[in-house]
Parts: sequence; structure tokens; C-alpha cells
Amino acid sequence: DGGITQSPKYLFRKEGQNVTLSCEQNLNHDAMYWYRQDPGQGLRLIYYSQIVNDFQKGDIAEGYSVSREKKESFPLTVTSAQKNPTAFYLCASLRETGELFFGEGSRLTVL
Amino acid sequence: AQSVTQPDIHITVSEGASLELRCNYSYGATPYLFWYVQSPGQGLQLLLKYFSGDTLVQGIKGFEAEFKRSQSSFNLRKPSVHWSDAAEYFCAVAEWASGTYKYIFGTGTRLKVLA
Repeated sequence: DGGITQSPKYLFRKEGQNVTLSCEQNLNHDAMYWYRQDPGQGLRLIYYSQIVNDFQKGDIAEGYSVSREKKESFPLTVTSAQKNPTAFYLCASLRETGELFFGEGSRLTVL
Repeated sequence: AQSVTQPDIHITVSEGASLELRCNYSYGATPYLFWYVQSPGQGLQLLLKYFSGDTLVQGIKGFEAEFKRSQSSFNLRKPSVHWSDAAEYFCAVAEWASGTYKYIFGTGTRLKVLA
């Protein structure tokens, strides 16, 4: 079945380290999105990409970077410049029917 | 900028009771509106969506929502809640930007169901 795979599901890192979260989809969707979720704050958009080799900053892009070298893949790097990286990260792609389809998420904890 | 407001952070209902979750949005044009549900530690699942046409839309799991332009609202309803409906619910609006849709989410309403 088609879907979005996010890995790892849980990740721990020390302060000052960069970490990359993987997002892979086999749905043949063009547009992909990264959201950050914190309790009581809903989902906030980090980056989005409409096509390969193109992406735009969302509302909270500082301290994050992305790449879109392949249609299937949209990895997110949380850099050491992100002041409060502990959060739940959600990757999504845009269905032809107009709604977002989400992965299961990755929980990052900074020790 | 577009925004979505979910005024209720937590709601508790008894099993079998009716449910209404509120959602208000700000958007100049005709909005594309969505309701999603999230179980703990999971991704979001689409319950229903409104793009145009009939303002009362039916979704999965017995949910429905009504779009009211005059009130800028898109409230989610269910006639009889089941214990398995306990989860967090998010309202969202889509806006067109930079050649694609950006999706703006509310802060969510956490539903607790009493047996």
C-alpha cells in the first residue's frame, strides 16, 4: 500500500548536534510538507516543496533545512541553531483530492 | 494572514452524548476547510473536508461538519460519541501561496469520553 514513512520514530540527540529526519513517500505526490507539533500549539509549518529541487520556508523555518533531490524524499535537518528542537515532527504530502496525507511522525528529544 | 481558531482546548463528554467542536477561520476568499483527528503519538487522519457546494459535509466515523460563511465557522458534530472517539481534533484551512497550498491548522481540541 502507498504511504509515507518517517524515520526514526524516536530520536535523542545532544545539544549542539545536527540531526536529519527522513520522510519517504510512494504515493507519487508532487507537494510535500514538514510540520512541527508542540502541545497546545497545533501544527506549525516548517518547510514545503511543490516539486523536485524547489522548496519554500514556512512560518518557523529558522534552525531547519531541507532538500528535495527526489520526488519521493523530503528529509528535514534540525540544526544546532534551532533553539528548542524537542518536538513531534510530521511529514505530509498533498493528495490530488486536495487534502494532506500524513506520516506517523518522528519524536525528537534533545538531552 | 489566514488563521484558524479552536476555542476549546479540552472537551469532555459522556459516551452516547452528542458532540460539537468549534472552529472559526479568517480567510478572504472561499475557504478550503478540513477536520483531522490524531491519536496519541500518531499522524493525522482526515475526517472530512469542504471545498464548495453543500454546506453540510459528511465524513468518516459518523462525523459531519457545517460550513457557515456568515459566521466564518466550520463546526464538527457527531450525534453519539463512542469511547474510541477520544483523541485530538484539528481544524485546518488551505490558502494558495507560491504555487501550492499552505495548510494552516488550529491549536486542536482534545476530546475525553467518559464511560
